[in-house]
Amino acid sequence: QSVLTQPPSVSGTPGQRVTISCSESASNIGGHPVHWFQQLPGTAPKLLIFSDDRRPSGVPDRFSGSRSGTSASLAISGLQSEDEADYYCATLRDTLTFVFGSGTRVTVL
Amino acid sequence: AQMVQSGAEVKKPGDLLKISCQGSGYSFTSQWIAWVRQVPGKGLEWVGSILPGENRMRYNSSFQGQVTISADKSITTTFLRWSSLRASDTAMYYCARVQTGSQFDRWLDSWGQGTLVIVSS
Repeated sequence: QSVLTQPPSVSGTPGQRVTISCSESASNIGGHPVHWFQQLPGTAPKLLIFSDDRRPSGVPDRFSGSRSGTSASLAISGLQSEDEADYYCATLRDTLTFVFGSGTRVTVL
Repeated sequence: AQMVQSGAEVKKPGDLLKISCQGSGYSFTSQWIAWVRQVPGKGLEWVGSILPGENRMRYNSSFQGQVTISADKSITTTFLRWSSLRASDTAMYYCARVQTGSQFDRWLDSWGQGTLVIVSS
């Protein structure tokens, strides 16, 4: 059972803004930075946002992250068909133990 | 950085298996490498990590004793090994480099393509 809770699915129409939440359970309270990964169908996960709100080179600025305490969120502005994928948040439970969110399927209507 | 994993495996319950992940384009010995499991149709689970230069390992308690992570610095490769596979080990396994910002700020920035392990009688 994941200690990071995400909604199972979100959907939107092209051009719309959607957000995905990621909340820590009490057992994982640490308030450490959160990172986000995008997994397109049949491919390996890809780093989308690191350290709460930083984008790796090459990631469009349509993707943005934020965190307040033990809750984080990923926003996708100007939703595009190629954004249809699974999205996972992740953080550290201690200095080396990673925990992942349960994952959110984004559907573009 | 690039992480390249070994190919898919089909094994029987009780078999031994070792899959690999070769890192290149960065200082292999000085950065942690993580293994992540994804059961078909399910989410991501951290299996464990290794720091090749110091041969230090850290395991997810759910996988402790079930798998062994090791590394060979001479060929910049890390391994994930099972001594006796179970059907429940059927999954895609990814390796990924761990990037560090601070003690509590680490993320997985470069991922391998994944190794599919199928365990079936």
